[in-house]
Amino acid sequence: DAKTTQPTSMDCAEGRAANLPCNHSTISGNEYVYWYRQIHSQGPQYIIHGLKNNETNEMASLIITEDRKSSTLILPHATLRDTAVYYCIASGGFGTASKLTFGTGTRLQVTL
Amino acid sequence: EPEVTQTPSHQVTQMGQEVILRCVPISNHLYFYWYRQILGQKVEFLVSFYNNEISEKSEIFDDQFSVERPDGSNFTLKIRSTKLEDSAMYFCASSETSGRSGVQYFGPGTRLTVT
Repeated sequence: DAKTTQPTSMDCAEGRAANLPCNHSTISGNEYVYWYRQIHSQGPQYIIHGLKNNETNEMASLIITEDRKSSTLILPHATLRDTAVYYCIASGGFGTASKLTFGTGTRLQVTL
Repeated sequence: EPEVTQTPSHQVTQMGQEVILRCVPISNHLYFYWYRQILGQKVEFLVSFYNNEISEKSEIFDDQFSVERPDGSNFTLKIRSTKLEDSAMYFCASSETSGRSGVQYFGPGTRLTVT
């Protein structure tokens, strides 16, 4: 798995967009970018993933740069319940049982 | 929405005892995983399992650990002789086999405390 680099922590005001950056400059052509989050010691929660196109679902948007060396997770309207550690992971591809290699992630604190 | 379930939520055991952690993956998933997270540390991969055999295992997954899919619904992690350093949260995950199959869905975890 390609190594990813994320800021240690970020703050965001409730109701504002939270933009979480991730650097994955050594990502290979078949590796996807996955975002998970972990609230306290709960199980990691899948948010979104993508290969090269931007993606959007009901939770978030994922913007991947054209060279695929970095990406940004966008939570459009952050709430207090979005306070968590967010992990950006580059891994695997279609049909592979690839392990997920978690780093230390970004601790997002959403405040009133 | 289908989800991965794990039992028990908390297991306390004495050093040297055997423990079995249980997981029920999402029903149409065929790839299964175990991860662990020692308090305050990263989530670490232990093992992946497909077609009734181990696909990949980490250095952590030594001879003390084993996994099994004893029936069509359960996936278990056994630790034969627990050590103090096995105290951690253990997470089970599962994923589909085709299409966008790389998405792993995690259970809520089992907190293992070895005394």
